[in-house]
Amino acid sequence: NAGVTQTPKFQVLKTGQSMTLQCAQDMNHNSMYWYRQDPGMGLRLIYYSASEGTTDKGEVPNGYNVSRLNKREFSLRLESAAPSQTSVYFCASSPRGEKLFFGSGTQLSVL
Amino acid sequence: ILNVEQSPQSLHVQEGDSTNFTCSFPSSNFYALHWYRWETAKSPEALFVMTLNGDEKKKGRISATLNTKEGYSYLYIKGSQPEDSATYLCAFTEGGSNYKLTFGKGTLLTVNP
Repeated sequence: NAGVTQTPKFQVLKTGQSMTLQCAQDMNHNSMYWYRQDPGMGLRLIYYSASEGTTDKGEVPNGYNVSRLNKREFSLRLESAAPSQTSVYFCASSPRGEKLFFGSGTQLSVL
Repeated sequence: ILNVEQSPQSLHVQEGDSTNFTCSFPSSNFYALHWYRWETAKSPEALFVMTLNGDEKKKGRISATLNTKEGYSYLYIKGSQPEDSATYLCAFTEGGSNYKLTFGKGTLLTVNP
């Protein structure tokens, strides 16, 4: 089993460009999450999905959109990237209410 | 926004020392409290998930306790080793939140040989 797979691992964008971060899990988990990690800020929740067909905003949703395409996949889209979105992004999944399994992260730089 | 606080922010100890950190969270509408270990250049890994007041969990030299009535959890490491050096994160799930996990900022532990 691959667990939680995120792509890409690294990305550099120019201000105003758009991109989608992909996340897939093969553990049949119901819940999926997108977090961003910034120095001194810990992990901040962007969006999450308790189950297929539902999504909810987290602490820092502005500038992002998500799609829970099916039970396996949960993508994060930046429509018009800004330098403030430079960060490391982590996708995670869990059976409902249980421990999170994290992907390996995407390092994004917006110039 | 839920307030999940961790203290201290960082900690340096000598190999063999025992240490502990604190996580405080809202004492109302509790669902679960998680602890994760996050090593540099890796992804966070779960240590414990606790759901009941008075819960105590243990994994090797690491243990955790939970007090939901007063809104705090302690993580203990007995006989710290250099490989315990990592950031330790706690995360709180509020009841009725669709399993939304809110993380604290973490405690960075450095164990000197």
